[in-house]
Amino acid sequence: EIVMTQSPANLSVSPGERATLSCRASESISRNLAWYQQKPGQAPRLLIYSASTRATGIPARFSGSGSGTEFTLTISSLQSEDFAVYYCQQHNNWPPPFTFGPGTKVDIK
Amino acid sequence: EVQLVQSGAEVKTPGATVKISCKFSGNSFTDYYLHWVQQAPGKGLEWMAFIDPEDDEKIYSEKFQGSLTLSADTSTDTAYMELSGLRFEDTAVYYCVTSKINMALETWGQGTLVTVSS
Repeated sequence: EIVMTQSPANLSVSPGERATLSCRASESISRNLAWYQQKPGQAPRLLIYSASTRATGIPARFSGSGSGTEFTLTISSLQSEDFAVYYCQQHNNWPPPFTFGPGTKVDIK
Repeated sequence: EVQLVQSGAEVKTPGATVKISCKFSGNSFTDYYLHWVQQAPGKGLEWMAFIDPEDDEKIYSEKFQGSLTLSADTSTDTAYMELSGLRFEDTAVYYCVTSKINMALETWGQGTLVTVSS
């Protein structure tokens, strides 16, 4: 089973600042990496898939990069609605399970 | 627009079985895979399994093999998740989620809270 790790576990950022979140896979997953955002009491929302493709309706301030085992989610200028927990997940890398990372909580500095 | 509406919260005793439904609308049910994801209180996300309603193919995470059963009814566009032998640690919110062939989890249901309590 592929193990996903994320860093940092917590990230304090001021509104308008840039946030950089990292995700690492225990073995190469090519570009089969997705990012999700989850706010308290809500279901997660797909932000990025295939490492760098924004999902429908996702603002351009969210961008993803990386391949192999190292991936990054960048939020270029944090808005108040971006404070949330972010999860990475390896997708379409067979065989399943399509494991998630433990999450990074982004809160207000 | 694809929408998923799940059944309501459940309270079960240890050893019982729970069955959750997930009603799909807004597109062709058989064009999507239906996944299930577990989230224990205050914890992260865990992928459990998926089903392909078109051919009834199912893939389960090893952790849930034997206790989890997925099904899909193409006449009502509804997917089901049945978890048996419930333990206290199965207390969680369970989400159904769609994907296309790339397996990225696109549209999420609102979640169903299952509480296992004696």
